[in-house]
Amino acid sequence: GENVEQHPSTLSVQEGDSAVIKCTYSDSASNYFPWYKQELGKRPQLIIDIRSNVGEKKDQRIAVTLNKTAKHFSLHITETQPEDSAVYFCALTDPGQNFVFGPGTRLSVLP
Amino acid sequence: EPEVTQTPSHQVTQMGQEVILRCVPISNHLYFYWYRQILGQKVEFLVSFYNNEISEKSEIFDDQFSVERPDGSNFTLKIRSTKLEDSAMYFCASSEAGRGNGYTFGSGTRLTVV
Repeated sequence: GENVEQHPSTLSVQEGDSAVIKCTYSDSASNYFPWYKQELGKRPQLIIDIRSNVGEKKDQRIAVTLNKTAKHFSLHITETQPEDSAVYFCALTDPGQNFVFGPGTRLSVLP
Repeated sequence: EPEVTQTPSHQVTQMGQEVILRCVPISNHLYFYWYRQILGQKVEFLVSFYNNEISEKSEIFDDQFSVERPDGSNFTLKIRSTKLEDSAMYFCASSEAGRGNGYTFGSGTRLTVV
């Protein structure tokens, strides 16, 4: 089945700095790439998504870039704040349109 | 904003017992899903359900598991003869279409098998 790799597994940044998380995948048929933020004990919350016909999408401090040729997509958070601290999961849809999640990145924003 | 509702929020059960986790998907959604997240690990797909039947299931979803839509609103996951390793957070999700549109997760049920 589809395999999604995510790096780094943990990331610590100073408040105000940028954070970048990258995911790579193997199935070129994937066409929907969401990013989820999960706070401790809570459900994954969709923060941004991108479809395969778009290379970049931005929503305030959050942006996602997609390179279908290289099969990777990245989450960019600028001007990080302590409330950005959480686990971030990339995901994509497999041929059956079910979600396959990456292993997650624990982001810590240090004040 | 419409929500996917899951009950109970936390369930503790003895090993070997049966549990039923309940979900109320968003009313106009047609596709329903169960995912599992073992503590500290990634979210894993279990099963998808459409038109009153299973569309797809993962290797995790063995004969111990079953799903049902007993009426027009509920979507349930039954785990027969629970094992310690079934302890996890179980998330229900629903979507309007099977293509990531309006995909919404419930708040989860934490299952603890003792």
